[in-house]
Amino acid sequence: SQTIHQWPATLVQPVGSPLSLECTVEGTSNPNLYWYRQAAGRGLQLLFYSVGIGQISSEVPQNLSASRPQDRQFILSSKKLLLSDSGFYLCAWSGSQERGGANVLTFGAGSRLTVL
Amino acid sequence: DQQVKQNSPSLSVQEGRISILNCDYTNSMFDYFLWYKKYPAEGPTFLISISSIKDKNEDGRFTVFLNKSAKHLSLHIVPSQPGDSAVYFCAASDTGTYKYIFGTGTRLKVLA
Repeated sequence: SQTIHQWPATLVQPVGSPLSLECTVEGTSNPNLYWYRQAAGRGLQLLFYSVGIGQISSEVPQNLSASRPQDRQFILSSKKLLLSDSGFYLCAWSGSQERGGANVLTFGAGSRLTVL
Repeated sequence: DQQVKQNSPSLSVQEGRISILNCDYTNSMFDYFLWYKKYPAEGPTFLISISSIKDKNEDGRFTVFLNKSAKHLSLHIVPSQPGDSAVYFCAASDTGTYKYIFGTGTRLKVLA
């Protein structure tokens, strides 16, 4: 079956510390991968997407970066967190989906980041 | 520039009645539209989608309508149930770019 995992589920980090959120997809190959952020009371903001290994498109200039070291792995990073980086981060994938077809976006459970 | 807009931040409906959630978009290149349901602290769950070549798609209690000339889509839930209470997001995609743009969400509350 097709599943998406992201971790950690929750983390609290001090300002200026680094960040690494990881996402993996199972049960498919060559997925399109995405990172979204939901700030408090806001919609879902597209941060990065990738259509292949090493191919990263950035939607919002900021101190975050993304990498795709393997076909089904997507990592969101920061070298120095800001207070404004707090939010709910969601990984997602699209591709050959068992439900809905290639154009459906399926999300992970999310990672709650609090920067203090 | 908000390309996808949900102008109603909240909606309350009586159980058993119809819920209608609306979404407007500005980019005429969007060719695929989706609705998601989201509970707090969870990832959004896919509900229903529609391609720009159609004007209606049904799945059980959920129906999505697309009016391309007005750049407007709506989600109808009939009958509404208390378990439908959640935040609903619409999303639009220009499938050639692989990007999905989301609206700001509408919080639906179904009253028992």
